[in-house]
Amino acid sequence: GAVVSQHPSWVICKSGTSVKIECRSLDFQATTMFWYRQFPKQSLMLMATSNEGSKATYEQGVEKDKFLINHASLTLSTLTVTSAHPEDSSFYICSARERGFSNQPQHFGDGTRLSIL
Amino acid sequence: QQPVQSPQAVILREGEDAVINCSSSKALYSVHWYRQKHGEAPVFLMILLKGGEQKGHEKISASFNEKKQQSSLYLTASQLSYSGTYFCGTESWENYGQNFVFGPGTRLSVLP
Repeated sequence: GAVVSQHPSWVICKSGTSVKIECRSLDFQATTMFWYRQFPKQSLMLMATSNEGSKATYEQGVEKDKFLINHASLTLSTLTVTSAHPEDSSFYICSARERGFSNQPQHFGDGTRLSIL
Repeated sequence: QQPVQSPQAVILREGEDAVINCSSSKALYSVHWYRQKHGEAPVFLMILLKGGEQKGHEKISASFNEKKQQSSLYLTASQLSYSGTYFCGTESWENYGQNFVFGPGTRLSVLP
């Protein structure tokens, strides 16, 4: 089955640090990847849609200068949380859909738990 | 617009059945169902594309009523491993080709 690898799993760092999270589709090509944020006991909140070779599409209320997304290839997207602060602490999850994705499910990475001290 | 899920939470004894509903105010192209265990990423269960479609995986099945813009997930003879939060994701014709929107989730607890 389709596998999405997300790294790192856990990050603990000081306020003001920038953190990069990687999302890779291991056995399929993903023209589109998605980045979600999830608070405890809440649903997944879509932050942005990452398109290979073009700029990401951000959801309303998500600061694009704060959450930098790069989709360098058909198998890799990165999310960089710049100058992270305690309020950025959350569970971040990426997902990918295969090409021709309208009939395809989303495959999720294992998530990254970010804690800013 | 986020779909509505009901119930918000349900507690079952092992072996009991449960139904989780997902409804949308928009005409739907597809409905996706996922299960998420605490601290883990969501796991895909099934996708329904056509009105009237029903699918099943072991003792978990789902139906899609296109006209009513809703889907139901059926868990039969529940097992302890079924515990988790179930999310539906709906893809509307209005947003066809884009991402879908997840519902708020239904927390299912199966007790021995």
